[in-house]
Amino acid sequence: ETGVTQTPRHLVMGMTNKKSLKCEQHLGHNAMYWYKQSAKKPLELMFVYNFKEQTENNSVPSRFSPECPNSSHLFLHLHTLQPEDSALYLCASSLSGSSYNEQFFGPGTRLTVL
Amino acid sequence: QQPVQSPQAVILREGEDAVINCSSSKALYSVHWYRQKHGEAPVFLMILLKGGEQKGHDKISASFNEKKQQSSLYLTASQLSYSGTYFCGTEIMEGHNTDKLIFGTGTRLQVFP
Repeated sequence: ETGVTQTPRHLVMGMTNKKSLKCEQHLGHNAMYWYKQSAKKPLELMFVYNFKEQTENNSVPSRFSPECPNSSHLFLHLHTLQPEDSALYLCASSLSGSSYNEQFFGPGTRLTVL
Repeated sequence: QQPVQSPQAVILREGEDAVINCSSSKALYSVHWYRQKHGEAPVFLMILLKGGEQKGHDKISASFNEKKQQSSLYLTASQLSYSGTYFCGTEIMEGHNTDKLIFGTGTRLQVFP
């Protein structure tokens, strides 16, 4: 595998379910990001991890819980979501946590909350 | 503070040129440009860091004005493969440089034969 991978690619869940999204980067990067992309809206930054430390939480509801066990893996734990949380969730990585570095995106997980 | 992108949409014939603008009310540390094709991940195009900078590859180039508040993406002699949505990502110059990019709403570009 190369680049940034995300699993699953599609997820349908009920409002009472608990699920997790997984992201893995094979680029040797030290920063990882979660973004939310809704229809007709810009990419919204959710969380940033730099060297496994969370450096940004962009006022995200607590029903979204990130986890970064090492620099290569990033998870987004989901519980008691709302229908408005349906969106494409993109993971990205960069060499280090600085806006001077380009970000490499994964293909995303298309989430539908029923 | 989200950057403002214009236009929202562009329709071109192959071989035509287009300019996409990204504006901020405050000076920026950096401007990133990405292209996202339908159903795919955004792909990095280029990053500009210095006021007055211009850079490009192939027939896609970009500029960053001296005040570091506006960037433009230039697509010349467009090809069908240029179709997609173009986003600028910016970081406002406030305090120390961080890792937080704020993206514009995107410009949808369609190139027809």
